[in-house]
Amino acid sequence: QVQLVQSGAEVKKPGASVKVSCKASGYTFTGYYMHWVRQAPGQGLEWMGRINPNSGGTNYAQKFQGRVTMTRDTSISTAYMELSRLRSDDTAVYYCAREREGGDEYWGQGTLVTVSS
Amino acid sequence: QSALTQPRSVSGSPGQSVTISCTGTSSDVGGYNYVSWYQQHPGKAPKLMIYDVSKRPSGVPDRFSGSKSGNTASLTISGLQAEDEADYYCCSYAGSHGVFGTGTKVTVL
Repeated sequence: QVQLVQSGAEVKKPGASVKVSCKASGYTFTGYYMHWVRQAPGQGLEWMGRINPNSGGTNYAQKFQGRVTMTRDTSISTAYMELSRLRSDDTAVYYCAREREGGDEYWGQGTLVTVSS
Repeated sequence: QSALTQPRSVSGSPGQSVTISCTGTSSDVGGYNYVSWYQQHPGKAPKLMIYDVSKRPSGVPDRFSGSKSGNTASLTISGLQAEDEADYYCCSYAGSHGVFGTGTKVTVL
């Protein structure tokens, strides 16, 4: 069974960086894009970008260009999302989501990142 | 890459039908048949309800249906039930990027 398990909640100060991990199991990690989506408290869903775990190629939303870096470690089937120069409005739940195959789509449990001085 | 436009809220009585619109541009909704819809209950991860404009994943009731015309996609919930009360988001492929809608709160009266 497909599972995406994310790292735990983080508290960061403004200006710092955060790196969230997403460990995949139950499928061929390199066979599907991994997407990252975030949701600020009381707000909507926001697509941040995606990574091709096979090639390492990435596509980022324009809003996050220059601040976000998505990487992967194929040896441990884990994708990472690092966001730098954090601001208070980066406080959100960050999700990883595996590329859909037909109607099958899988999401991680979410990681709460709180940015506060 | 602006968010797709959805009504902030819609409501209906049990058994009625409601339709949520999702308006984009020719660069996203209008350009590809890759619109999906998500249901989200408070504190939960989004759940895929419709993909590729009108396809339903296994296990999603056929009360949920999707369509598209031009730059606007729609989600219709027929025979509204209490458990359908949730937030709904559309999402479109936009050429190597994704974009979500602004979200719609569905209230069952």
